[in-house]
Amino acid sequence: TQLLEQSPQFLSIQEGENLTVYCNSSSVFSSLQWYRQEPGEGPVLLVTVVTGGEVKKLKRLTFQFGDARKDSSLHITAAQPGDTGLYLCAGAERGGYQKVTFGIGTKLQVIP
Amino acid sequence: SAVISQKPSRDICQRGTSLTIQCQVDSQVTMMFWYRQQPGQSLTLIATANQGSEATYESGFVIDKFPISRPNLTFSTLTVSNMSPEDSSIYLCSARGLAGGPSYEQYFGPGTRLTVT
Repeated sequence: TQLLEQSPQFLSIQEGENLTVYCNSSSVFSSLQWYRQEPGEGPVLLVTVVTGGEVKKLKRLTFQFGDARKDSSLHITAAQPGDTGLYLCAGAERGGYQKVTFGIGTKLQVIP
Repeated sequence: SAVISQKPSRDICQRGTSLTIQCQVDSQVTMMFWYRQQPGQSLTLIATANQGSEATYESGFVIDKFPISRPNLTFSTLTVSNMSPEDSSIYLCSARGLAGGPSYEQYFGPGTRLTVT
């Protein structure tokens, strides 16, 4: 089973600050996904990165996949209270079944 | 993307009873999964629901406790049997492999919040 380490686990910041969440593994993934989950709801897919070194932007969110496809980062610029939630990374193994492993999650609180 | 609905959204059940959770996807999908999540924590995979055959369970989860059905490509049920307070959790249905979409993109239902008293 491939393990995904996610850090930090908790983050409380002021509105307007920047932050980065990291997702690391010793194994190679065929793709990696980032989700945001708000209380009382299911995780919502934000982005999928597939190619090593790939960078994707979603408004104030920037996602990067490591060159070796073992790690990823999520950077939020000028955080807003609406960014508050649980951020989960999930890596898909290579191969036909592509089992998905979830990180432990980063609980982000943006204080107005 | 896929829209996934779950019923019930929440329930409070007595110890020793069973609850069946339904999951409906708005399009055909290759794979369906059931997860458990404690509030604010990550996801634990219970099993993969297979159409036409027995579900594939992860370590620590057994069919007698969590029977799963998947009669077609859009619907699945999870039953939590002989419940105890330790079963109190959020149960999430998930799907992957939409027709015409990437096989690795996974979508989730809103979850069923179960409290066992």
